[in-house]
Formats: sequence, structure tokens, C-alpha cells
Amino acid sequence: GIQVEQSPPDLILQEGANSTLRCNFSDSVNNLQWFHQNPWGQLINLFYIPSGTKQNGRLSATTVATERYSLLYISSSQTTDSGVYFCAVEPYGSGNTGKLIFGQGTTLQVKP
Amino acid sequence: ETGVTQTPRHLVMGMTNKKSLKCEQHLGHNAMYWYKQSAKKPLELMFVYNFKEQTENNSVPSRFSPECPNSSHLFLHLHTLQPEDSALYLCASSQEPRGGHTEAFFGQGTRLTVV
Repeated sequence: GIQVEQSPPDLILQEGANSTLRCNFSDSVNNLQWFHQNPWGQLINLFYIPSGTKQNGRLSATTVATERYSLLYISSSQTTDSGVYFCAVEPYGSGNTGKLIFGQGTTLQVKP
Repeated sequence: ETGVTQTPRHLVMGMTNKKSLKCEQHLGHNAMYWYKQSAKKPLELMFVYNFKEQTENNSVPSRFSPECPNSSHLFLHLHTLQPEDSALYLCASSQEPRGGHTEAFFGQGTRLTVV
């Protein structure tokens, strides 16, 4: 099956710093989402981005489907950005079930 | 608030107990999902329901029994669980997948501990 790899696995930043999280996937995908999991376990939708570039405030994301990767940019990081960031893909040809395959996540800690 | 609500938020159960997890979505979606998140592991899909019909069972043991009475409600019935089943169980919903836009929205999760 499809493999989803995220890097780096862990990241520590000082408040105000910028960062880039990467998601590589091994096969074609129908869709790709980025999530932020807060300390209580809630998955917050960040981007639905099967291709192209989107921006939402201090966050932006780019997916290059032909090269099988996606990037999540966090600018001017804040302590509230801390948590785990997941990339998830819907494999192409998965029978249109809508199922998502998740990466292992990047754990981000932003220090004041 | 994502529009997907799970109850209870926390559950402790013995290995001989029977309990149920509940999920309700207020987004008008037609597909619902159960995922399991164990410590140190990525989220794993368990079940998919489209228009109340189960379309995917990811080799889940029979001690987990899903039920989808309508497109807005999804249950996970639990019986004779093992300690290794302790995990965060997450429910999600999306538009019907063949419609193309399958952005999934997740509930807050139920943190289950089996003792």
C-alpha cells in the first residue's frame, strides 16, 4: 500500500521562528489533508490540498502531486502552534472510499 | 467545533464489559469513519460507512462491532476487549466520496482504557 512519510519527526522552535514540514507519499493520491492535533487529541483541519498552494493566515501549504510531496509552512510561530501535525492522503484508486492514510506526524514544540 | 461530536470523551472498561462509543455529525455528510490512534503509531482506519452501508473493514477484530443507523450517527460497540485495545478512537465524516471533495472532519475522540 501507499507509504506516507513526514519529516522531521520532532521540531523545537523559538517563538517567532519559521518552519517547513514535509510530507512525501509513495503513490498517486486523490486528496491530501494537513491536520493539527492539539493536546486533547482533537484533529483540527488546516488544509485540504490535493494540489497547488493555499494560505490561511500564518500557515500555507503546497502540494506537488506529480512529485508526490506536500509542504506545510508555519511563519512567525506561536506557542499555541505546538502539537502534532499530520499529513493524510486518500490513495488514488482506493475505490473512492474516502479513507485516509496518515503519516507518523511531526511533533512541534514552540518555546516562548 | 468541527461539527462532529463524540461521546464519551473518556472511558475506562474492564475486559469483560460491553460499552459503546457514539459519534454524531451535523455537517450533512454521507460518509462516516472510525479511526484508531494507538500510542506511538499513526492513525489507522478501522471502518468506512457510505450512506449507512459498510464499505470498508480494515481487518478489525470482531470484538469491535460498528453500527450506522443513519448518515448522521455512527456507533462502535465494544465487548471483551484486551488491554492493547487501549487507544484514542476518532470518528470522522465527509461528503460521499464519489462526489470528489472528500475533506474529512474529525470528532474530539474517545480515550479508551481497558483494564
